[in-house]
This record gives sequence, structure tokens and C-alpha cells, in this order.
Amino acid sequence: EDQVTQSPEALRLQEGESSSLNCSYTVSGLRGLFWYRQDPGKGPEFLFTLYSAGEEKEKERLKATLTKKESFLHITAPKPEDSATYLCAVQSGNTPLVFGKGTRLSVIA
Amino acid sequence: GAVVSQHPSRVICKSGTSVKIECRSLDFQATTMFWYRQFPKQSLMLMATSNEGSKATYEQGVEKDKFLINHASLTLSTLTVTSAHPEDSSFYICSVPGQPITDFNEKLFFGSGTQLSVL
Repeated sequence: EDQVTQSPEALRLQEGESSSLNCSYTVSGLRGLFWYRQDPGKGPEFLFTLYSAGEEKEKERLKATLTKKESFLHITAPKPEDSATYLCAVQSGNTPLVFGKGTRLSVIA
Repeated sequence: GAVVSQHPSRVICKSGTSVKIECRSLDFQATTMFWYRQFPKQSLMLMATSNEGSKATYEQGVEKDKFLINHASLTLSTLTVTSAHPEDSSFYICSVPGQPITDFNEKLFFGSGTQLSVL
């Protein structure tokens, strides 16, 4: 059974304080690992898809990396508008996406 | 990219009543849509896969007679929570896979969600 564990559950940063969010996964044959951003009371918004170990993708202050067991979402010099819940999800085979519980990020000005 | 419209965004109802939630794919035709449920501080859990012109596929543990799904057109899927009870209170979200649709559901586009509160 595919499993996704995200840590920490919650993270509070000062504006400009860089950090990383972790997503550990167990799958039988990874087809893709996804990162989404979710604002309170809203549906998730797609950020990245990573397909194989060693792959990296960047978007503004965010960079996602992937190893065979985990993915990191690095946030460089975050701003208050980066505050949100960041969700990680994996897919193996033709099964539906399996989501983690997310990391609630708060960036304080 | 796809734009998914979900309505209503919030609904409060009495126990025993039925609630219908609509999900529309605005940018392209979607033969498949997904319905998720999310409890506070919990993962998105897939409830069912909505298939245009055929029966929905429900995940294990989801009561198909309680959560009625209709996908009558290529742009609209509805989820009806029948005889709702307080334990059905949750955040319901629909999603549409990006194009082209393959077995690999890359890049899901999500609706804005519906917060259901059953009194």
C-alpha cells in the first residue's frame, strides 16, 4: 500500500528565513510525485511533478527535489504570501493519487 | 490550463436532508472527474471516480447509495450527499485530470471545494 508522510505538520518561519519541507513515501513503483499548495477553504493548486530520483524543479522561491525515498520542497527567502498548506502526493501504476496530510506553513512578516 | 468550477462553496443543512454539489470543467471536456473528501488537518481522500456516461467507481468504504454521483455531460459531474448526517460534515473537492488524459493522472486541477456542515 502506497504511503506518504509529510513533516513537519506545521512550520512557522520569519520572512526571509529559508527552510525545507519533507515528504517521505513508500510506493511499489513510483510514476510521479506531486506537490500542491492549498490555501484555507480552497482546493489544491498544482506546483510540481517529479518523476525520477535526482530530478529538481523550481518555481519562484520554491524548489522541489526527489530521491528514491523522499522529496523536499525548499523555500528560499519566504514571504507572508507563501503561507499555505503544502501537500505531497504520489502515484504508482494506474492507482489514484495518495496524498499526505500536508505541512501548514506560516510566514511571519 | 483547466479551470474547474465547484458550487456551492459552503452549505449548511439539517440532518436528513440531501445536498447536491456541482463540479464543472470550464476549459475542456472531461470524461473523468474525481471526488475527494478532506477532514480538518487530514489528507485528501479519494471517494470516487466519476465517469461520463457510465457508473462511478467508488473507493473502498464509500457508500455508493449515500454519495450519488452523476456525470451526465462532458463538463459536469454532481455529487449528492443523501440523508446527510453530522458525520458527513467535511470539505468536498472535485478534480479534473489535465490533458491529454492517460492512465497517468498527471497534474490534477481542483475545484475550490465545498464545505458541508450538517446540523
